Amino acid sequence: GEDVEQSLFLSVREGDSSVINCTYTDSSSTYLYWYKQEPGAGLQLLTYIFSNMDMKQDQRLTVLLNKKDKHLSLRIADTQTGDSAIYFCAEKPSGGYNKLIFGAGTRLAVHP
Amino acid sequence: NAGVTQTPKFQVLKTGQSMTLQCAQDMNHEYMSWYRQDPGMGLRLIHYSVGAGITDQGEVPNGYNVSRSTTEDFPLRLLSAAPSQTSVYFCASSDQGTGSRREQFFGPGTRLTVL
Repeated sequence: GEDVEQSLFLSVREGDSSVINCTYTDSSSTYLYWYKQEPGAGLQLLTYIFSNMDMKQDQRLTVLLNKKDKHLSLRIADTQTGDSAIYFCAEKPSGGYNKLIFGAGTRLAVHP
Repeated sequence: NAGVTQTPKFQVLKTGQSMTLQCAQDMNHEYMSWYRQDPGMGLRLIHYSVGAGITDQGEVPNGYNVSRSTTEDFPLRLLSAAPSQTSVYFCASSDQGTGSRREQFFGPGTRLTVL
């Protein structure tokens, strides 16, 4: 079945790079997403990658996709305290409705 | 645009009570969804709608009803609340797009506690 897994917690020092990893099971997924959730708020789309791409860079964010291993990662360069949040990986299986399968979320803690 | 709005922000119910969680969007999106978020778990899809008058079940529909009489509104009804329905509920909407990434826009959530 469809499943998305990610580690639950990551702690980094301010200024370092953060790497959040995710594995998924549906090889037919067309889009893979990273959503950010700040405390007490809803989810906000951070970035996404189409399944025919290996890498996407957007300012401090780099998304790497390894389709063979069904592995997705999000790298945040020069991590700031404002990056502290929960980051959700999600996949959109092909076909049908715009249904997303979410991972459990990785809580990123940034300390001085 | 207000985006996706949800009311109430917080709610406490007793077991067996019923209530309706409201969701509205002003982006003229066809697709709307309800998710629940529980600790240590990702968001799970409860019900969704692909347009006014059309709804369908998601992954965890039991105990919930939905209707979609207008494009803007997508209320979620709890028929007889149970402690297992204690959760944070998110409403989301997206447009149909044209092979696009179909970004989902999320509301701020409703935190529900059932005693």
